[in-house]
Amino acid sequence: RKEVEQDPGPFNVPEGATVAFNCTYSNSASQSFFWYRQDCRKEPKLLMSVYSSGNEDGRFTAQLNRASQYISLLIRDSKLSDSATYLCGQLTGGGNKLTFGTGTQLKVEL
Amino acid sequence: NAGVMQNPRHLVRRRGQEARLRCSPMKGHSHVYWYRQLPEEGLKFMVYLQKENIIDESGMPKERFSAEFPKEGPSILRIQQVVRGDSAAYFCASSQGQGVTEAFFGQGTRLTVV
Repeated sequence: RKEVEQDPGPFNVPEGATVAFNCTYSNSASQSFFWYRQDCRKEPKLLMSVYSSGNEDGRFTAQLNRASQYISLLIRDSKLSDSATYLCGQLTGGGNKLTFGTGTQLKVEL
Repeated sequence: NAGVMQNPRHLVRRRGQEARLRCSPMKGHSHVYWYRQLPEEGLKFMVYLQKENIIDESGMPKERFSAEFPKEGPSILRIQQVVRGDSAAYFCASSQGQGVTEAFFGQGTRLTVV
């Protein structure tokens, strides 16, 4: 089983829609979690860290569910510019190993 | 405040040659990760280093690949005797280290083996 699993998508949504992605992880000892955004042929950019209490940054909300071992990313009022691949990452191995899922592709359409 | 710098951005090598990829971390960061990404695939963890020390190399192929992060200068990912299957984008990310966990990526090096 992969350490981090994501639905690859693509998720095609109209502009203004709300969309949510989940990411499941297998290592219950995982310490920290992150969401990154990657545009085509570009480097991943940190979108937000995911805290146990959940966190929100503008239109983006991230949550962690340790009991079910998943993290989620909610995007409200989708913009065309939100179109990208969203990667979830987890830190394991005593903080030594940052691994990623394969990413979920989002396409926001007019 | 320069971010993570990788060079070269593009590298073409013939089969059997050596490839050297460089990564200078962000100012104040002492830890570096290296990843490989094939087209339409995710980021595959290769190695995690701090200055003069390899912390976790569980993702490195057993042969031909090596990484270092010397006391002075950039981190280097070296691929000896490259083969066509080594063609990929190689990204490095840097962080301040344990306790401060956010990692920031460089623009990557796209290696093409011909």
